[in-house]
Amino acid sequence: AQKVTQAQTEISVVEKEDVTLDCVYETRDTTYYLFWYKQPPSGELVFLIRRNSFDEQNEISGRYSWNFQKSTSSFNFTITASQVVDSAVYFCALLHNAGNNRKLIWGLGTSLAVNP
Amino acid sequence: NAGVTQTPKFQVLKTGQSMTLQCAQDMNHNSMYWYRQDPGMGLRLIYYSASEGTTDKGEVPNGYNVSRLNKREFSLRLESAAPSQTSVYFCASRLSGDSNQPQHFGDGTRLSIL
Repeated sequence: AQKVTQAQTEISVVEKEDVTLDCVYETRDTTYYLFWYKQPPSGELVFLIRRNSFDEQNEISGRYSWNFQKSTSSFNFTITASQVVDSAVYFCALLHNAGNNRKLIWGLGTSLAVNP
Repeated sequence: NAGVTQTPKFQVLKTGQSMTLQCAQDMNHNSMYWYRQDPGMGLRLIYYSASEGTTDKGEVPNGYNVSRLNKREFSLRLESAAPSQTSVYFCASRLSGDSNQPQHFGDGTRLSIL
């Protein structure tokens, strides 16, 4: 079965703290893609990153970094020196190889509150 | 470049009323999707259209119909609205159904059924 688990429902940190959002996935596909999306309080869904199953290199983009580990089926997201503007719900998703129309399997999201 | 545009942004309906949510994308994407988002439930796929002229059911299609009017537009219709359909509805598009590209989302429609 294809599944994405974001075990942390809510996280609250103080500004400038580092915070890691966990994402664990299940899939039988040998080739798959993982995504992170951000949903700020304004409500829109913003694409952050895509990672394919053959590339286990960590990725860094400014204060954001992603750690993909196939051995533990995890694709964790770390925000360094968090800021109030990072407050949002963050979704992890798995692109499921369902024939000629691949579907996204979504986690339930982690709500991050960064307090001043 | 507008991306994915949803109208309306907010709507209040009475039980039993009908309503069509509109979605249009200007990125020349082939695939389009309708999701609903409810507290604690994440994003659930209602219907999708892999390409112009095709539509398929997602996880929660009951009570909804869709029309892929052309390549740009994908509408969602509630024939007889029920309070259980109170939700935030998102339209998304992707380059093609078999691509690995991310989905791009509209800003959502907040729908309340009284």
